[in-house]
Amino acid sequence: ETGVTQTPRHLVMGMTNKKSLKCEQHLGHNAMYWYKQSAKKPLELMFVYNFKEQTENNSVPSRFSPECPNSSHLFLHLHTLQPEDSALYLCASSTPSASDTQYFGPGTRLTVL
Amino acid sequence: DAKTTQPPSMDCAEGRAANLPCNHSTISGNEYVYWYRQIHSQGPQYIIHGLKNNETNEMASLIITEDRKSSTLILPHATLRDTAVYYCIVGAGGTSYGKLTFGQGTILTVHP
Repeated sequence: ETGVTQTPRHLVMGMTNKKSLKCEQHLGHNAMYWYKQSAKKPLELMFVYNFKEQTENNSVPSRFSPECPNSSHLFLHLHTLQPEDSALYLCASSTPSASDTQYFGPGTRLTVL
Repeated sequence: DAKTTQPPSMDCAEGRAANLPCNHSTISGNEYVYWYRQIHSQGPQYIIHGLKNNETNEMASLIITEDRKSSTLILPHATLRDTAVYYCIVGAGGTSYGKLTFGQGTILTVHP
């Protein structure tokens, strides 16, 4: 049991739709992350939030819009996506420490038609 | 961040020890070695991490060479449920949030 939950687990959307992915962590962590994992590719870091402040944006297109209202919740708002955005989207959290171990949620499998 | 090199795939018989190697010859003094695994289409699962000393927990053991240029993850009694992609990652921990660069990992297949 990871302590990091993600909803929905599966999402199918058209290119004109607007949807949101939700992540919640129950570990008391202060940092949260969004990763993207496309088929046959390694995980790619998208965004990092530390104490609700965005500290990293890895050149992610503006059609992906993150939101972190508090240290326990993280959202990824999606609009006008492309079929190549179909992937597994993973959320993780960690707490400030020397090792900063990240714990991942189960992911949202997104398919863009 | 330092890069890591892992074999693309390994096999192991059920009940035997699985020893997964990782080379990280450019690791810096403040960088940790992390191991995660990912079972098909699930989120990566943290296994273990270490800085200099060998580490053991309920899942695995981590052996880091004295020069820290390589490490081995040991699953002492592999089961079929240990079949997964295993990632060896080096990162600077709390000084650089999110700086965990995942590579292709090692596909471990445990056979009956």
